[in-house]
Amino acid sequence: QKEVEQNSGPLSVPEGAIASLNCTYSDRGSQSFFWYRQYSGKSPELIMSIYSNGDKEDGRFTAQLNKASQYVSLLIRDSQPSDSATYLCAVNMVGDSNYQLIWGAGTKLIIKP
Amino acid sequence: DGGITQSPKYLFRKEGQNVTLSCEQNLNHDAMYWYRQDPGQGLRLIYYSQIVNDFQKGDIAEGYSVSREKKESFPLTVTSAQKNPTAFYLCASSILTSGGPTDTQYFGPGTRLTVL
Repeated sequence: QKEVEQNSGPLSVPEGAIASLNCTYSDRGSQSFFWYRQYSGKSPELIMSIYSNGDKEDGRFTAQLNKASQYVSLLIRDSQPSDSATYLCAVNMVGDSNYQLIWGAGTKLIIKP
Repeated sequence: DGGITQSPKYLFRKEGQNVTLSCEQNLNHDAMYWYRQDPGQGLRLIYYSQIVNDFQKGDIAEGYSVSREKKESFPLTVTSAQKNPTAFYLCASSILTSGGPTDTQYFGPGTRLTVL
């Protein structure tokens, strides 16, 4: 069973602090990983993609990938109330079509002013 | 403006009816996808298409049908055979690459379908 696991939350973080979101996946050898943000009632929008082990930074966001431990994380620095949303992790699993993603159920993040 | 449009935003269906959800993109993407999202669950793939006049079933295709007559358009029909169709339906598209890492999928605004 191919799975992507996320803590459903809610994760409550004070404004200005670092929010840390985690995602684990079942298939060792998976190559492509994505973080999307979804506001309530809206569609997902891409935050970041990551394909290699290590960190990838984009503004206040950092994605961290550890293929040996099969997890991918998203760090949000200087959290703002506008960061309050559900964050979805998606993974392209080994053996699947290059276009198929397995999605986690998402972590709800609340930034408290 | 390049993007993906979906219509209608809200749709109500009576039991036994077929309904069609529209998805149009002007991003010149070859690949298009339909997902279903239920509360507390991840997105589940219904159908995807990599090229005009060709499409493949995803994980939950039963009770749904699609067509891909034009590159820009990928409509989804929810048939009366789909017993629990109330959900948020999302259309996405991506470029087409052979080999290499998976490309980013971009989403339309979604259609919320409710069965009365």
